[in-house]
Amino acid sequence: QQPVQSPQAVILREGEDAVINCSSSKALYSVHWYRQKHGEAPVFLMILLKGGEQKGHDKISASFNEKKQQSSLYLTASQLSYSGTYFCGPPMGGNEKLTFGTGTRLTIIP
Amino acid sequence: SAVISQKPSRDICQRGTSLTIQCQVDSQVTMMFWYRQQPGQSLTLIATANQGSEATYESGFVIDKFPISRPNLTFSTLTVSNMSPEDSSIYLCSVEYIIGQPQHFGDGTRLSIL
Repeated sequence: QQPVQSPQAVILREGEDAVINCSSSKALYSVHWYRQKHGEAPVFLMILLKGGEQKGHDKISASFNEKKQQSSLYLTASQLSYSGTYFCGPPMGGNEKLTFGTGTRLTIIP
Repeated sequence: SAVISQKPSRDICQRGTSLTIQCQVDSQVTMMFWYRQQPGQSLTLIATANQGSEATYESGFVIDKFPISRPNLTFSTLTVSNMSPEDSSIYLCSVEYIIGQPQHFGDGTRLSIL
């Protein structure tokens, strides 16, 4: 029951906007988002709680629709540093264990 | 932010041998987890390391193959036993200071089995 992310990969020019979607077949109560650069560990971006929308970074925001069991990550005016693979990670088990989504590889080119 | 030291950073091992990976955190944490990540893939949870008791394993992972220890609130080990080429992967530890809060990851151990 791994959450499915779309798109799988996207290439953008610097300054363009991107939307990454995360869809689950199970009920969600919160969603974590992480970014992993090539060869590095995943880094936490933000948590969205039921009924809330939260901005974790300057031009990166996200929404969470618990009824649709979906979350979306919005990257505005993308920068080269935004390149990496983005994972959603909703808790789907006991002790708030995260089940990471399929991932979206984002490449920003000058 | 958390300082997580994971060792070794990489290793090349022979088939049939075992390797123990260490994860040390600079302060006490509530939760410690071990993940496996195949190249270009997502993260798969192996188990939750429980302090002072047996780890909680996810479906498809067993204690005989992946024994885990957590003797205190800052340290855990994962052993990959009787390795085969299918075990070649990146293994990551992560920690949560408070349940439900962000997870912080170690830099990972890149393991190759010949």
